[in-house]
Amino acid sequence: DQQVKQNSPSLSVQEGRISILNCDYTNSMFDYFLWYKKYPAEGPTFLISISSIKDKNEDGRFTVFLNKSAKHLSLHIVPSQPGDSAVYFCAAVGMDSNYQLIWGAGTKLIIKP
Amino acid sequence: DTAVSQTPKYLVTQMGNDKSIKCEQNLGHDTMYWYKQDSKKFLKIMFSYNNKELIINETVPNRFSPKSPDKAHLNLHINSLELGDSAVYFCASKGTNAYQETQYFGPGTRLLVL
Repeated sequence: DQQVKQNSPSLSVQEGRISILNCDYTNSMFDYFLWYKKYPAEGPTFLISISSIKDKNEDGRFTVFLNKSAKHLSLHIVPSQPGDSAVYFCAAVGMDSNYQLIWGAGTKLIIKP
Repeated sequence: DTAVSQTPKYLVTQMGNDKSIKCEQNLGHDTMYWYKQDSKKFLKIMFSYNNKELIINETVPNRFSPKSPDKAHLNLHINSLELGDSAVYFCASKGTNAYQETQYFGPGTRLLVL
């Protein structure tokens, strides 16, 4: 049973446009959400996070939105750059998961020049 | 300076062999993890160590044994390797100050069992 789902295996976006990556979760006890970025042959690197008490967190070109009622979060990248091409993982954590990170399957983002 | 390092980066071996993967972090973190990324790209936690004590042991075969000589190191030993063990293994670490849930990952070890 996947508690964190990223339903789009891949996403292709034109350079300069907005990239929107989506993530859904089923466990209402999650209280912290993170996005990681992964290049081929490298480990995941932390990108941005959001606490469940907030609905938005912004860091430069990256903004994460959280809709608790819909159990949905999204990562917005604007403007998209070629270096953003990577696999993006959504992860969630909470007391219910014993503070283990529960990971989505990832979305491969391809930025077209 | 690499925050979380793993060696080797690539490991090709025969079925039935015993191998080890090493992990070191220089972040002063108290908690370290081993993950396995399967063929579907899911990251599955295998083990977690906090201050040299095992605190999570997911249902992995007992052929896998983590060993932590000190809190900066968490090594993974695998006995009697099987074809299905082929995967990418990631080490990660996490601080325990305040509400720190960010995990820092090593570059991964690509294990291929022939």
